[in-house]
Amino acid sequence: EVQLVESGGGLVQPGRSLTLSCTTSGFTFGDHTFNWVRQAPGKGLEWVGFIRSKGYGGTSEDAPSVRGRFTLSRDDSKGIAYLQMSSLKTDDTAVYFCAREIRYCSGHTCYRYFDSWGPGTLVTVSS
Amino acid sequence: IVLTQSPGTLSLSPGERATLSCRAGQSVSSSYISWYQQKPGQSPRLLIYGASNRAAGIPDRFSGSGSGTDFTLTISRLEAEDFAVYYCQHYGGTAPLYSFGQGTKLES
Repeated sequence: EVQLVESGGGLVQPGRSLTLSCTTSGFTFGDHTFNWVRQAPGKGLEWVGFIRSKGYGGTSEDAPSVRGRFTLSRDDSKGIAYLQMSSLKTDDTAVYFCAREIRYCSGHTCYRYFDSWGPGTLVTVSS
Repeated sequence: IVLTQSPGTLSLSPGERATLSCRAGQSVSSSYISWYQQKPGQSPRLLIYGASNRAAGIPDRFSGSGSGTDFTLTISRLEAEDFAVYYCQHYGGTAPLYSFGQGTKLES
């Protein structure tokens, strides 16, 4: 069974740092890109960034709203993806989800979507 | 690319047909359009990918269609468990690489 579980959330003061983990099981971690998506209280979904599989270079991309403050990484030996958050702002308060990305091409058509999500972890940025 | 979902809230009864819209600010590749369902306190669940392909385990009362800038999620006969918030998503290849619509709340 595919499982993703986020951890590391909590209450943190503005300007401080926090690292979230996404621990996975039930599939070959190294084959996949992992995304982080957040949801502020009562709001919609916001894409935060992704860390590519090693097969696609292992590099990361992120949203403009977090650029320069958040860092995405992965440890394929442990099956864990990380989201390091620094210079946190009150606007970063949200539930943070990790999601496994499926990426494949069939003929000339390529698809990308998130087929499995973790339950999320709440990050509250407040003094 | 901005995705605009309508209506914001849709009030229907079990057994009725639901039609949810997602409009992109410019023409997009339908293969990168997905739909998700989210219930309170839960993570999103993939329903549709590639605009019209049902994900594994999704009942056939859910269907997706569209191309260009206009995409639709249709639920043919609503069941009690279908009342939730629905989001469309697009992978655009330029920052931000993924975008979500603001969501449609389907209520009874």
